[in-house]
Formats: sequence, structure tokens, C-alpha cells
Amino acid sequence: GDSVTQMEGPVTLSEEAFLTINCTYTATGYPSLFWYVQYPGEGLQLLLKATKADDKGSNKGFEATYRKETTSFHLEKGSVQVSDSAVYFCALFHNTDKLIFGTGTRLQVFP
Amino acid sequence: NAGVTQTPKFQVLKTGQSMTLQCAQDMNHEYMSWYRQDPGMGLRLIHYSVGAGITDQGEVPNGYNVSRSTTEDFPLRLLSAAPSQTSVYFCASKVGGQGRTGELFFGEGSRLTVL
Repeated sequence: GDSVTQMEGPVTLSEEAFLTINCTYTATGYPSLFWYVQYPGEGLQLLLKATKADDKGSNKGFEATYRKETTSFHLEKGSVQVSDSAVYFCALFHNTDKLIFGTGTRLQVFP
Repeated sequence: NAGVTQTPKFQVLKTGQSMTLQCAQDMNHEYMSWYRQDPGMGLRLIHYSVGAGITDQGEVPNGYNVSRSTTEDFPLRLLSAAPSQTSVYFCASKVGGQGRTGELFFGEGSRLTVL
């Protein structure tokens, strides 16, 4: 069945460092891919999305490119801030009404 | 802009007690769902609904009941609470049917502790 695999956390960075959080997926056909973010004490919210191969989703300085050949959707940001500290979830949506989530990666950014 | 509203935000129960977590959305979404979030486990789908009168089980349905009598409301019932149900619960909704997407809108969560 469909699945999403994310890198284990926590990821600990200093402010202004470069961020990569890896995400790979398994699915037949062409799923839509998403990154959700959960700030402390809040529910998840959509960060960015891509609906077809080679699409790049972007928002708030974060980017992710839908790579069909490597079945990946890695999240990147060139310069992280303390306010980016949160848990990040990769997810796919395909064929059914349900989203398939990864287990989440906690990012901690220190000044 | 209310979006998805969950109540209560915090609840403490004793083992064996029952309770209902309320969820309401004002976006006319056909799809509604309940997740639980536990440390190291990510999000796990409990139950979901694709429209009024239609519900189905997710990954971890045991010990929980749902009903969907209106488009707006999707309550989650714990019939006889157990310590294993201590968790943070999230309700989420999205567009369903022919226009369905993967963009879920989440409530702020309900933290439940079962003693």
C-alpha cells in the first residue's frame, strides 16, 4: 500500500543554517504530495504542496520539489529562524479520501 | 474565521468513564476525520466520514464511536475510557467528493488524560 517515510528527528540547527528534511514515498500512479507543519500547542496546517512530477511547492521560504524518479519530496529552507521550530509532516494523497502521513520530524532552531 | 472547532481543549477522565469530543466545521466540507497523536507515533486515523450519514474506520478504531448526522458536526465518543486512550486528539476536515483534495484543515486539538 501507499506509505511515506521521513527522516528521524530531532533536527537541531543554529539560526540561519540550511535545512533539509528528507521524505520519500511509495505509491502507484501519481499522488499529490504535501508538507504540513505543527507549531507547539497547535494543530497541523498546510505548509506547501505539489500535485504532479517536477512541481515545486513553496511557502514562507520553504521549498520542496516533487521528484518522480527518486520518489522524493524533500523539504528545504535556505536560512532557518527560531520561529521555524516545529514538527514537520510529509503526506501523500492518492485515490482515496485519506491522507497518508509520515511520522513527523521535529526541528529545533537555536539562536 | 472559525474553521474547525474542537471542544473541550483539555479533559481528565477516570478509567471506565465515557465522554464525547465535539468537532464542528463551518466550511461545508464533506470529509471529516479524527486522529490521535502520541509521542513517536505520528498521527493515526481513528474514524472518518465522507458525508452525512456515512462513517468508516481508520487504523485505530477500537474503543471509539462516531456518527455524522449533519455536514457540520462529527463527534467522537469514548465508550469506556482506558489509560491507553491518553493522547491528543485532532479533528480535521477537507473538501470531499468529486472535488476532493489533500488539503486538510485541523482543529487545535483536545488533550485527554485517562487516570
